[in-house]
Amino acid sequence: DAMVIQNPRYQVTQFGKPVTLSCSQTLNHNVMYWYQQKSSQAPKLLFHYYDKDFNNEADTPDNFQSRRPNTSFCFLDIRSPGLGDAAMYLCATSRAPMLVNSLNTEAFFGQGTRLTVV
Amino acid sequence: EDQVTQSPEALRLQEGESSSLNCSYTVSGLRGLFWYRQDPGKGPEFLFTLYSAGEEKEKERLKATLTKKESFLHITAPKPEDSATYLCAALPYGQNFVFGPGTRLSVLP
Repeated sequence: DAMVIQNPRYQVTQFGKPVTLSCSQTLNHNVMYWYQQKSSQAPKLLFHYYDKDFNNEADTPDNFQSRRPNTSFCFLDIRSPGLGDAAMYLCATSRAPMLVNSLNTEAFFGQGTRLTVV
Repeated sequence: EDQVTQSPEALRLQEGESSSLNCSYTVSGLRGLFWYRQDPGKGPEFLFTLYSAGEEKEKERLKATLTKKESFLHITAPKPEDSATYLCAALPYGQNFVFGPGTRLSVLP
């Protein structure tokens, strides 16, 4: 059974039209991440939540926002998508790797949402 | 600055032709080194975690090893279904995962 579920798998949006991607998890992990991955590139971290604490990467554009209403769900909002935002968006979860003594720190990914901007 | 590189960028093998993928990392204190498999259009699938130099993990035709500066993913007698992009990621203490760009593996029948 899928443990990290992303919806939708494919999303087409118009240039400048707000779009929301969703992620849910059944692992009860503390940390949820959003990554952007473009073709043949490494996943790029946009931000992550450690429980309810939001942590934004310094180079994440203001156009990208996130919400985590509870442990299981996390949303990625793109306020005004541009052509350069077309990518695969990956949600991942993990226990808290920042804690020195925590074990099993691997991240588990969803299947991704492929965003197309037209 | 924490950095992970992978080589080669792409690798084509004949079915049954064993080889190794390299992941080199420069991080300020390694907490763990992770290998993932990513099929086209899908999210990365977790394969292994390695925590200390000298550690090895195996799964079917794959074996991952770790030294103080790099990790290798050895593929023994690969099959076409092993074709995918293999990502490695380093986790420094107190930081988030640092991903490499991946190696695209193609195994030809």
